[in-house]
Amino acid sequence: KQEVTQIPAALSVPEGENLVLNCSFTDSAIYNLQWFRQDPGKGLTSLLLIQSSQREQTSGRLNASLDKSSGRSTLYIAASQPGDSATYLCAVSLDNDMRFGAGTRLTVKP
Amino acid sequence: NAGVTQTPKFQVLKTGQSMTLQCAQDMNHEYMSWYRQDPGMGLRLIHYSVGAGITDQGEVPNGYNVSRSTTEDFPLRLLSAAPSQTSVYFCASKKDSAFYGYTFGSGTRLTVV
Repeated sequence: KQEVTQIPAALSVPEGENLVLNCSFTDSAIYNLQWFRQDPGKGLTSLLLIQSSQREQTSGRLNASLDKSSGRSTLYIAASQPGDSATYLCAVSLDNDMRFGAGTRLTVKP
Repeated sequence: NAGVTQTPKFQVLKTGQSMTLQCAQDMNHEYMSWYRQDPGMGLRLIHYSVGAGITDQGEVPNGYNVSRSTTEDFPLRLLSAAPSQTSVYFCASKKDSAFYGYTFGSGTRLTVV
């Protein structure tokens, strides 16, 4: 069974710092990996989608990498801002299912 | 484009009551699914559909029923609500290919007392 783990569970950083969120998965037979952002009491907003054949994707200050063979992905956030405070979820796509990690709760302090 | 629309946003039910959570998408996505989100457990798949008239069970289907009569709509029915079904429910959709990403609705927060 595919297991997705996110470390750390919570992270607090001062504004302006660069940071890395980690995601690992146990079965490399995935179609793609998606990073989401979730604000308190809200839905999931897609940040980046990486296909299994790709190594990384970039959007603005966000960069996500994928190493399928080792079962790892990282989300790099450059020059963090208080508005980046949210929970970040990674999810791996299987045939008709998506398996989620429990998320990393990020707080960026002004 | 409205994307994925879920109603209601909040609901309180008494044990044993039934209700339907609504989900609609206007992106002509073939695939639709329902997840529940519980603290510390992430999101888990309840049911999914790959097209009108086709549904299947996910990881945690017990106590829930679905149907897909149109491409746009995918309602989730709670047959006899139990406190264990207190959760936040999300509907998601995508094009019917494993290489597309998911679009999520804003969720329904359900409390069963």
